[in-house]
Amino acid sequence: ELKVEQNPLFLSMQEGKNYTIYCNYSTTSDRLYWYRQDPGKSLESLFVLLSNGAVKQEGRLMASLDTKARLSTLHITAAVHDLSATYFCALDSNAGGTSYGKLTFGQGTILTVHP
Amino acid sequence: EAGVAQSPRYKIIEKRQSVAFWCNPISGHATLYWYQQILGQGPKLLIQFQNNGVVDDSQLPKDRFSAERLKGVDSTLKIQPAKLEDSAVYLCASSSQGTGANVLTFGAGSRLTVL
Repeated sequence: ELKVEQNPLFLSMQEGKNYTIYCNYSTTSDRLYWYRQDPGKSLESLFVLLSNGAVKQEGRLMASLDTKARLSTLHITAAVHDLSATYFCALDSNAGGTSYGKLTFGQGTILTVHP
Repeated sequence: EAGVAQSPRYKIIEKRQSVAFWCNPISGHATLYWYQQILGQGPKLLIQFQNNGVVDDSQLPKDRFSAERLKGVDSTLKIQPAKLEDSAVYLCASSSQGTGANVLTFGAGSRLTVL
């Protein structure tokens, strides 16, 4: 059974600080996604990582993928309050097959940024 | 472009009653997904359609859940009879498949409370 584990599950940060969320998974895949979810809202796509060594950056967020270690990271630089949300990583377990989109999600990391 | 539309946004029913949720995907997206998100967890795939055919329904509790996608556009997810553990947000998503990133776009969700 495919497992996707995130840590930490809860993260309280001060504005201006840096931190990293880790996403470990149990099977090979070359498609990993990061989503953001605000309370009561749906999921917003942040990054898609398609190959080993892939790195993507958007504003204060940077995501990377190491398929050999089965690890993805989401790094937050100089956090601001607007980044407070729940962050999910998700692995596409059909990757390499004929159909994509069967995502297995991690438990989510609840990020709170305070002054 | 218009997003993924879902209705109703909220529904409260008694256990053993039935409920139906409707989804209209992004125009031109051939693939449609229904995910179940229980409070505090990541979403879990229930069923995936490619046009009007089922690609994966391995995690759909078929004794009580059913879904259809007539004409390859709109979809309906039905639960009958509902159980307390079906309380969750039901998220519809769509994607265009094919090569590339295949990013899923999620709707706002339908929140079900079973009493």
